[in-house]
Amino acid sequence: SQQGEEDPQALSIQEGENATMNCSYKTSINNLQWYRQNSGRGLVHLILIRSNEREKHSGRLRVTLDTSKKSSSLLITASRAADTASYFCVSRTSGTYKYIFGTGTRLKVLA
Amino acid sequence: DAGVIQSPRHEVTEMGQEVTLRCKPISGHDYLFWYRQTMMRGLELLIYFNNNVPIDDSGMPEDRFSAKMPNASFSTLKIQPSEPRDSAVYFCASSYGVGIGELFFGEGSRLTVL
Repeated sequence: SQQGEEDPQALSIQEGENATMNCSYKTSINNLQWYRQNSGRGLVHLILIRSNEREKHSGRLRVTLDTSKKSSSLLITASRAADTASYFCVSRTSGTYKYIFGTGTRLKVLA
Repeated sequence: DAGVIQSPRHEVTEMGQEVTLRCKPISGHDYLFWYRQTMMRGLELLIYFNNNVPIDDSGMPEDRFSAKMPNASFSTLKIQPSEPRDSAVYFCASSYGVGIGELFFGEGSRLTVL
């Protein structure tokens, strides 16, 4: 399977704390994206980082990318109960428009 | 724009029956993707199209699965005959190839095969 892996599989934190999720992928990539999925809903794009970038910020989100290790991390700062969802990394294989999802991290933020 | 529209949202059918899932992508998007989500296997890419042409169908699990895109505003995923192990949520997503390539997802079609 080309599917990437994420860890932890599940994460439970208190409101206000930071949440860090890690992702590993298997192929050469054009870019890596992070998506969020609320229970029973479709996925929503959060942030994209290109293969020639190392770090990117968007609001309370910070993404890093290490292409030598084929890994990425997503940091959510000052988490809120509304951040409770599943988070997926998605790698776009170089030279294609093939988007491969990671296994996802289920985040629960306790109020 | 209304976003990616999928139908039906829920489908319950008997084993052996034909199932057709439908998707209307966002107008102007030239890529369309079909994904399947299960607890065991996560999100799997089944097939994707560019300008209505199938580009990669290597994720289609068996010959029982087929997908078509007769025009830029409509795609179908058909399962014939359906089996209980096909039970999953099927997502359609579309994207504009020029640009960052963000995927826009529909709300999914939850299929239960009894």
